[in-house]
Amino acid sequence: SQQGEEDPQALSIQEGENATMNCSYKTSINNLQWYRQNSGRGLVHLILIRSNEREKHSGRLRVTLDTSKKSSSLLITASRAADTASYFCATDKDQGAQKLVFGQGTRLTINP
Amino acid sequence: EPEVTQTPSHQVTQMGQEVILRCVPISNHLYFYWYRQILGQKVEFLVSFYNNEISEKSEIFDDQFSVERPDGSNFTLKIRSTKLEDSAMYFCASSSPRDSPNEKLFFGSGTQLSVL
Repeated sequence: SQQGEEDPQALSIQEGENATMNCSYKTSINNLQWYRQNSGRGLVHLILIRSNEREKHSGRLRVTLDTSKKSSSLLITASRAADTASYFCATDKDQGAQKLVFGQGTRLTINP
Repeated sequence: EPEVTQTPSHQVTQMGQEVILRCVPISNHLYFYWYRQILGQKVEFLVSFYNNEISEKSEIFDDQFSVERPDGSNFTLKIRSTKLEDSAMYFCASSSPRDSPNEKLFFGSGTQLSVL
């Protein structure tokens, strides 16, 4: 797989349930970020986790990072219909690097 | 909340024509980027721009592409002679001087470029 691969590619759950999306990457990273994209819109930054961090929270979001497995997960708790979107992980290789490498994304659908 | 604005939202052009995609980054931001997303594919980095010069570019960003910050507010991407494979959604992004480059990018809503 390429740098920044999310799974599953698509996830459909009921409102109120938790959604977990995973991201794997191949090279060493400086940080990993998660972005959301609503259909036809730009990406919105959700959360950033640095390579020396293991877990981070922001509201209903929880991100974990396992650098030994080169993987990250994004958990959205108590999902809402408005969370329906595509979610992408993005990595940068070096501190100060100007390039983010995005994954293919997970299409999340929250059913009311 | 301040936002990155892009114009036009849709651009249709004939193969071989020049197009200019325009962006107004957030006013106090110093790092500017162009990314693109071909339908059904990943978001791909094109170029980053800082202090009035390109700081990094991808293999995609060949001689057909150029960027410019003609004044204190606009940031443009020019494709000199468009090809069919340039059809994509082009996103402009910027980041704050309070953050390191590449941390917390603010994206515009994109310009959908269709090359016929």
